[in-house]
Amino acid sequence: NAGVMQNPRHLVRRRGQEARLRCSPMKGHSHVYWYRQLPEEGLKFMVYLQKENIIDESGMPKERFSAEFPKEGPSILRIQQVVRGDSAAYFCASSPQGFYEQYFGPGTRLTVT
Amino acid sequence: SQQGEEDPQALSIQEGENATMNCSYKTSINNLQWYRQNSGRGLVHLILIRSNEREKHSGRLRVTLDTSKKSSSLLITASRAADTASYFCATERNEGGSEKLVFGKGTKLTVNP
Repeated sequence: NAGVMQNPRHLVRRRGQEARLRCSPMKGHSHVYWYRQLPEEGLKFMVYLQKENIIDESGMPKERFSAEFPKEGPSILRIQQVVRGDSAAYFCASSPQGFYEQYFGPGTRLTVT
Repeated sequence: SQQGEEDPQALSIQEGENATMNCSYKTSINNLQWYRQNSGRGLVHLILIRSNEREKHSGRLRVTLDTSKKSSSLLITASRAADTASYFCATERNEGGSEKLVFGKGTKLTVNP
């Protein structure tokens, strides 16, 4: 049973470009969470999704950021018009039910130049 | 201020010694979880303790929870060099009508061989 997959592992974007981060949850998991981690910091909750639904996006900036978890395919975290402050590690986690033990992917390290 | 504050921020011990990390929080919680993160990797779930539990064991790990003091501790006995990692506590709490996991900034543990 493969774990949570994230790609790409590293992403470099210039200011103003778009970043798309993908997350495939563990088989049988329908709950997905996105977190952001700055260096030497803990994880900050961004958004919680179930299939085709956003349950809680209170941790996600209102502008430029969006997330989806379609019926088929991976969850996508999209950052439009990236700025240097968006540089961070973005982690996805999944669980079989809401907020039980979460299984984390290896993360995507976004660098904005 | 941030929920789930770990202390110490950094801890350096010799192999074979015990390591104790603490976590304090401010609001009522449903459960508390401990996670481990190796440098540059995703988080790995270690243990979950529910609000009505006081102590839990898993191998060399022992977690305590004191809801009256709003604190938890993670004890790693007979530490090994491979235990070197950052350890995070995460509290599951209801916020704004939605449950979420809130992570602390972590304790960076170094076990010297």
